Amino acid sequence: GDSVTQMEGPVTLSEEAFLTINCTYTATGYPSLFWYVQYPGEGLQLLLKATKADDKGSNKGFEATYRKETTSFHLEKGSVQVSDSAVYFCALKGSQGNLIFGKGTKLSVKP
Amino acid sequence: NAGVTQTPKFQVLKTGQSMTLQCAQDMNHNSMYWYRQDPGMGLRLIYYSASEGTTDKGEVPNGYNVSRLNKREFSLRLESAAPSQTSVYFCASSEMTGGNNQPQHFGDGTRLSIL
Repeated sequence: GDSVTQMEGPVTLSEEAFLTINCTYTATGYPSLFWYVQYPGEGLQLLLKATKADDKGSNKGFEATYRKETTSFHLEKGSVQVSDSAVYFCALKGSQGNLIFGKGTKLSVKP
Repeated sequence: NAGVTQTPKFQVLKTGQSMTLQCAQDMNHNSMYWYRQDPGMGLRLIYYSASEGTTDKGEVPNGYNVSRLNKREFSLRLESAAPSQTSVYFCASSEMTGGNNQPQHFGDGTRLSIL
């Protein structure tokens, strides 16, 4: 079945460091891909999405490119801030319309 | 904009008690979902409702029932709570099941502890 694998955390970075969170997927066809972010005590918020191969999703300085050849959707940000500290989830749209999530990666950014 | 509203936010139950978690959305979405979030497991789908009047099982439906009361509301019921159901429960909604590129909108979650 469809699945998502993302790098395990926690990830600790200093402010202004470069961020990469790896995400790979297994799926039939070419599902839409998403990154969600969860701040402490809150629900999940959509960060960015890509709906077809080579699409680049971007938002708030974060980017991810849908790579069909490597079945990947890695999240990147050039300069992280303390306010980016959160848990990040990679997900794909399943055949039932539901989201299939990775296990999440906790990011802590130190000043 | 309320979006997806879940009640209650916190609840403690004893083993064997029953409870209904409520979810309502004001975005006129057709599809609604219930997930549970456990440490190191990500979110897993319990049940979903593609449209008003329909419900289907997800990955982990055992021990739960759902009701799609109307287009706005989708409730999750634990008939006889067990400690294994201690989790954070999230409700979500989206435009339609077949819309592959439509994101889901999440509520803030219900933190449920079963003693």
